[in-house]
This record gives sequence, structure tokens and C-alpha cells, in this order.
Amino acid sequence: GAVVSQHPSWVICKSGTSVKIECRSLDFQATTMFWYRQFPKQSLMLMATSNEGSKATYEQGVEKDKFLINHASLTLSTLTVTSAHPEDSSFYICSTQRWGNTEAFFGQGTRLTVV
Amino acid sequence: DAKTTQPNSMESNEEEPVHLPCNHSTISGTDYIHWYRQLPSQGPEYVIHGLTSNVNNRMASLAIAEDRKSSTLILHRATLRDAAVYYCILTSGNTGKLIFGQGTTLQVKP
Repeated sequence: GAVVSQHPSWVICKSGTSVKIECRSLDFQATTMFWYRQFPKQSLMLMATSNEGSKATYEQGVEKDKFLINHASLTLSTLTVTSAHPEDSSFYICSTQRWGNTEAFFGQGTRLTVV
Repeated sequence: DAKTTQPNSMESNEEEPVHLPCNHSTISGTDYIHWYRQLPSQGPEYVIHGLTSNVNNRMASLAIAEDRKSSTLILHRATLRDAAVYYCILTSGNTGKLIFGQGTTLQVKP
């Protein structure tokens, strides 16, 4: 069964609104989770590292005020796309691992369409 | 992060073996070699990983060159469900970060 559950699978929102995506670790406590974005026909791009109980670490070029990450518990990280614009339309994917250098588990992804 | 190079695409016939190559000439001694695959509209799925020795699991085999500058993912009998983008990724330390390259798109013909 799934180790990481991501919700929703898809969402359509209007420009200017905010959208929250949830990522749950079902099998183990995850102190660290990762958020990726993938545009059509492109590879995954790491956006940020979500750390339980502390601030997220963002990759260069990713606006932290636009992509709000909250990791309030050991099993849940959320990504909120604030003031969404059509260019934010993408496939967002989360992942986690039990510890480094082992198998990573990915959510099923969230297809965001901003109209 | 050390870089990997993979062919953009490969084709295979169903029920035949597939060898997917990956070059990583700048690999360091502590880098692990990971392989993931992604089916359309899904999150990536772990396939296999290794450090120095060849590895086998129920999905595939990983052959690592003696100098570790290249590796090959081997699918022993390709099925139509193996059609996906395969990513070869190097990881080091315990950060858990995965930096994805462009991967190899595998087509499997019936």
C-alpha cells in the first residue's frame, strides 16, 4: 500500500486564490519531507525541504512567501501556493525517506491548474 | 551534487531484457546510485539503489562498474507496464535530497 498520501490529486483554482496541498507519511514518522514541481515533459525540480518543527529550506529561485510550507507534525507537511497564477499550474509531488541514502517514497502528485 | 548522464530515450520489445545506462564520472566515494521511474501522471517509484556492489531485487538489477563511473539498470523481461521515464540519481550524506536529471524515456513495444 501507499507509504505517502498526497491530497488532492488534482485541483483547479482561480487566479489570485490560494491552494493547499497535503502530504502525509502513512508508515513512519517523517522529520523531513521534500516538495517537487514538474512542468509538462520536464523533470522534477526540487522546490524545498520541509523540516518538522522548523522552517523549510527553499532551493534557489523558489519564493518562500509564495510557496508556504508547514510541517507541524511528524506525519504531515503542507504546501500552500498563495496568490496562484496560471504559470503556477504544474504537477506538485512530495516525498520522504526513513533516513538518507535509502528508498524515497513519493506521493501520487497533485495536478494544479490555475485559470 | 554529482551529475549523471542518461540517453534521452530507448526502445525495447516486450519480454526482452533492457539495459539502461547511466554515466556518473564525477561520482564521489560516498555517493549512492539510485534509480527511480515515473509513469505518466504519477509520482516517481523507487526501483533500486547501490553503492559499490551489484544489486538485485524483485524489480531489477543494478550493475555498477568497478570504477563506479557508470552503472546499468537491467530489467530482465520488459513488460508494457515498464514503459516509463527512468531516472539515475546520485545521493550523498543523509540529506535525503534527490536531484533529478532528464532521465531516459523507455518505450516497450508489444
